Amino acid sequence: GAGVSQSPRYKVAKRGQDVALRCDPISGHVSLFWYQQALGQGPEFLTYFQNEAQLDKSGLPSDRFFAERPEGSVSTLKIQRTQQEDSAVYLCASRGRKMNTEAFFGQGTRLTVV
Amino acid sequence: QQQVKQSPQSLIVQKGGISIINCAYENTAFDYFPWYQQFPGKGPALLIAIRPDVSEKKEGRFTISFNKSAKQFSLHIMDSQPGDSATYFCAAAYQTGANNLFFGTGTRLTVIP
Repeated sequence: GAGVSQSPRYKVAKRGQDVALRCDPISGHVSLFWYQQALGQGPEFLTYFQNEAQLDKSGLPSDRFFAERPEGSVSTLKIQRTQQEDSAVYLCASRGRKMNTEAFFGQGTRLTVV
Repeated sequence: QQQVKQSPQSLIVQKGGISIINCAYENTAFDYFPWYQQFPGKGPALLIAIRPDVSEKKEGRFTISFNKSAKQFSLHIMDSQPGDSATYFCAAAYQTGANNLFFGTGTRLTVIP
């Protein structure tokens, strides 16, 4: 497809379970971002990749959160030992080569930890 | 700490009316102020953006007003339509194309036919 694709759309995890969320950016997009959007809130920045390099991970809330983009295209956000406070929509966005171009968001993965 | 404060939380407007959403920020290093529109089950989509060197930007029915001295900016939707019903987020960044956008808490707009 032409847009950013995220999977799964919905994920229910038991507390303590590990989860992996996938993002397929727009083909050829160099930059990739992950955001966390809690219910009723605006998205909050988690991490940023340029190609395969993770250049900013300042927004990751704890060391249970880990993101990778090994070949510079698909990215995976992994959350270990999930907690209830991890319940949120996780949004992925990608941007083309030029810095001042728009970033396009995917539909997100809604994670519910029970 | 919320870097960008947004109000109101929800807004109901009659079709054809003007919708106004306000945002305020503290960090004077911010240099780029976009607005995003988000429909249920979708990711945010860029609607319109402004830099602080201009006081107003208009694109169709959407206008951003920017008050640099007050550190406030607002979105005006003229001739509001039911199809405009969505959640709107203001945001701020240190530069155009910055890697980290600071979003407001969102305004749920409902336009009544």
